[in-house]
Amino acid sequence: EAQVTQNPRYLITVTGKKLTVTCSQNMNHEYMSWYRQDPGLGLRQIYYSMNVEVTDKGDVPEGYKVSRKEKRNFPLILESPSPNQTSLYFCASSSRLNTEAFFGQGTRLTVV
Amino acid sequence: QQPVQSPQAVILREGEDAVINCSSSKALYSVHWYRQKHGEAPVFLMILLKGGEQKGHEKISASFNEKKQQSSLYLTASQLSYSGTYFCGTVGQAGTALIFGKGTTLSVSS
Repeated sequence: EAQVTQNPRYLITVTGKKLTVTCSQNMNHEYMSWYRQDPGLGLRQIYYSMNVEVTDKGDVPEGYKVSRKEKRNFPLILESPSPNQTSLYFCASSSRLNTEAFFGQGTRLTVV
Repeated sequence: QQPVQSPQAVILREGEDAVINCSSSKALYSVHWYRQKHGEAPVFLMILLKGGEQKGHEKISASFNEKKQQSSLYLTASQLSYSGTYFCGTVGQAGTALIFGKGTTLSVSS
């Protein structure tokens, strides 16, 4: 089954404790991205990767890092999480930018 | 810069029609539409490309005015299953990123 898998689905952590949210797709997609969703603000892009060689910042990259060492995986890293990073995070992938994007089921992160 | 969606919310009865608008201040290459039901991930509806090409579900209707950098999503004869939040996303002319708007919440009641 074609899918984008995020883990974990829910996470409560403390300020400053490094964490990684994993994202994996099984569709051989080139383009992957991370979004955060907050009430009233829609989906805001954090980082995107056009392929294994090209990764760039989105609109809200501060406090986040990503890695694209292989095509299928695109982890999101919060090296020192803060409460303002409490949000719902989505990973998405598509074969190219202007094709249908498939979203993971989301990771609800709470930083206390 | 996020595209602007209007209205922010729509309340309909089954069978009624609705139009959701999306506008951008920059020249666009494409407009994407997604629907998100409560507690779920966004799901693809349609992509409209510069030059007139469209990709998406046959039952969904939308338009893209390239000169005005605007797109509209047409929901006709609404059903309960249409309820959710609709997001438009835009890609600029030389863009490499898909930027979404804040969403339009559609509620359909019987």
